[in-house]
Amino acid sequence: ETGVTQSPTHLIKTRGQQVTLRCSSQSGHNTVSWYQQALGQGPQFIFQYYREEENGRGNFPPRFSGLQFPNYSSELNVNALELDDSALYLCASSLLVVSDTQYFGPGTRLTVL
Amino acid sequence: EDKVVQSPLSLVVHEGDTVTLNCSYEVTNFRSLLWYKQEKKAPTFLFMLTSSGIEKKSGRLSSILDKKELSSILNITATQTGDSAIYLCAVEAIQGAQKLVFGQGTRLTINP
Repeated sequence: ETGVTQSPTHLIKTRGQQVTLRCSSQSGHNTVSWYQQALGQGPQFIFQYYREEENGRGNFPPRFSGLQFPNYSSELNVNALELDDSALYLCASSLLVVSDTQYFGPGTRLTVL
Repeated sequence: EDKVVQSPLSLVVHEGDTVTLNCSYEVTNFRSLLWYKQEKKAPTFLFMLTSSGIEKKSGRLSSILDKKELSSILNITATQTGDSAIYLCAVEAIQGAQKLVFGQGTRLTINP
């Protein structure tokens, strides 16, 4: 186990609703990245947070937003949920912001009906 | 656009066989290539490769990077049923953030 935890484990929402997913990074890690993994696909980069600031973003619309807190835990918020948002959401933490191994949490399975 | 392609997408072998998984990439600002094993949810880290031609080994698993060919292979010898998983290849591309670009994964099934 990596020490990265995520909550909740599973979540069911309906279209149009909003959702908040949480991630606690491994002890000492100040960088958190979020990924979306659709069924049968590899994870896709959503964004990264470093020392409470967004440090880069993938091709996701603004309704995907995030936060990082002083203890380096992080939240992913998704507004106006769409059916295609159904996926496994993974967070990963690393000690360094570049060229360092990212350690993944167990993920949150989001189903949008 | 950054791209990572893995092959085969699916592989079924018998216990004891040796397998080779392939990964090719087209990424700007390449920093490193990583292999992960995903059994249920969390991808678990296997290797990080930065230098071409240097093999990394861990038990029955080994991997090598070829920067000239923009590719990597992951070898698993004497496979066991516990090796059944999805193997993900990811390339680290630096564009402000340490962004990992993943391939689709290879689903490996080891039959007893």
